[in-house]
Amino acid sequence: GNSVTQMEGPVTLSEEAFLTINCTYTATGYPSLFWYVQYPGEGLQLLLKATKADDKGSNKGFEATYRKETTSFHLEKGSVQVSDSAVYFCALRASYDKVIFGPGTSLSVIP
Amino acid sequence: DGGITQSPKYLFRKEGQNVTLSCEQNLNHDAMYWYRQDPGQGLRLIYYSQIVNDFQKGDIAEGYSVSREKKESFPLTVTSAQKNPTAFYLCASSIEGTGGRNEQFFGPGTRLTVL
Repeated sequence: GNSVTQMEGPVTLSEEAFLTINCTYTATGYPSLFWYVQYPGEGLQLLLKATKADDKGSNKGFEATYRKETTSFHLEKGSVQVSDSAVYFCALRASYDKVIFGPGTSLSVIP
Repeated sequence: DGGITQSPKYLFRKEGQNVTLSCEQNLNHDAMYWYRQDPGQGLRLIYYSQIVNDFQKGDIAEGYSVSREKKESFPLTVTSAQKNPTAFYLCASSIEGTGGRNEQFFGPGTRLTVL
């Protein structure tokens, strides 16, 4: 079946550090890929998405590229801020199937 | 503004009581979903509905019930049969267009505490 694997957290970075959160997936066909962010006590917000191979999703300085050859969708940001502290979920959706979420990666950014 | 509303934000109930969580969306989305999230954990799907008057069990449906009488509403009832109901409950919706690979949009969540 379809699945999503994310790097284990928690991740702690200093402000202005470079961020990478790894995400790999297993799916048949051509799923859409997503990154969601969850701030404490809130619902999930869509951060970015990509719907086909080699697409790059970007938002608020975050980027991720849909790599079909390596079945990956790693999240990156060049310079993190304290306000980026949150839990990040990688997810996929195959055609007319339910969304599959990864377990989430907690990020803490310290001043 | 279009979006998903969940009420209340915090809910307290005594053990053995049924409780209903509200979820309303004005996005004109076809599909709606209920997830449960425990502290430090990911999301687990409880129920989902792709069309009015139809719904399917997710991965952890036991002890829960839903209805979908209107497109914009998808209430979740946590029954006394649910052994560990204390959790954060998230409602989501999505538009089911061509290809069926669209993203979900989430409400702000309801934190249920059973005393």
